[in-house]
Amino acid sequence: SAVISQKPSRDICQRGTSLTIQCQVDSQVTMMFWYRQQPGQSLTLIATANQGSEATYESGFVIDKFPISRPNLTFSTLTVSNMSPEDSSIYLCSVDRLDTQYFGPGTRLTVL
Amino acid sequence: AQKITQTQPGMFVQEKEAVTLDCTYDTSDPSYGLFWYKQPSSGEMIFLIYQGSYDQQNATEGRYSLNFQKARKSANLVISASQLGDSAMYFCAMREGQGAQKLVFGQGTRLTINP
Repeated sequence: SAVISQKPSRDICQRGTSLTIQCQVDSQVTMMFWYRQQPGQSLTLIATANQGSEATYESGFVIDKFPISRPNLTFSTLTVSNMSPEDSSIYLCSVDRLDTQYFGPGTRLTVL
Repeated sequence: AQKITQTQPGMFVQEKEAVTLDCTYDTSDPSYGLFWYKQPSSGEMIFLIYQGSYDQQNATEGRYSLNFQKARKSANLVISASQLGDSAMYFCAMREGQGAQKLVFGQGTRLTINP
């Protein structure tokens, strides 16, 4: 398996502010994935982060709203910018290892 | 079209009974992988079981088994001898192609185990 940690585990933020979520993996991986899970919904991929290149965003997600950094092969950050209540979700990072995708514990974000 | 369909929004089962959670998928890629995850109320996604499209046998992991019927494009999760701790959301997901690729998720099934 993979050991993945995320910070913060949860946060309550005011609208218009930004939050940066960190994801740390126990060993080097080429690709890291960021997903969003809105309340009562399934998971949706936001973007794929490769080390050394720009992240690839899914339809409906843009870099200005969800900038991603990938400074090395074990770490990535996702920023949720200019937040609104609609951004209240669980944000999860994941990595692929031996044909299996493992998830971090998630960041539960509430925007007031 | 939905790539992953879970038709059971909720399931209620008596403790110690077996339960089957349904999942059908849609892909034209001959190489794909199917996953099941458990999500308790804490929100973490716990990997349960994986089935590759070329695997000859159904995957098993402890009390979990995957009933893979390729021609019918179904990948149902079977939990034997259910326990109270099995109560959670269960998601079926698919990865298309080889290597590290994104997952596409179904809408999930909320399983409740009654004592």
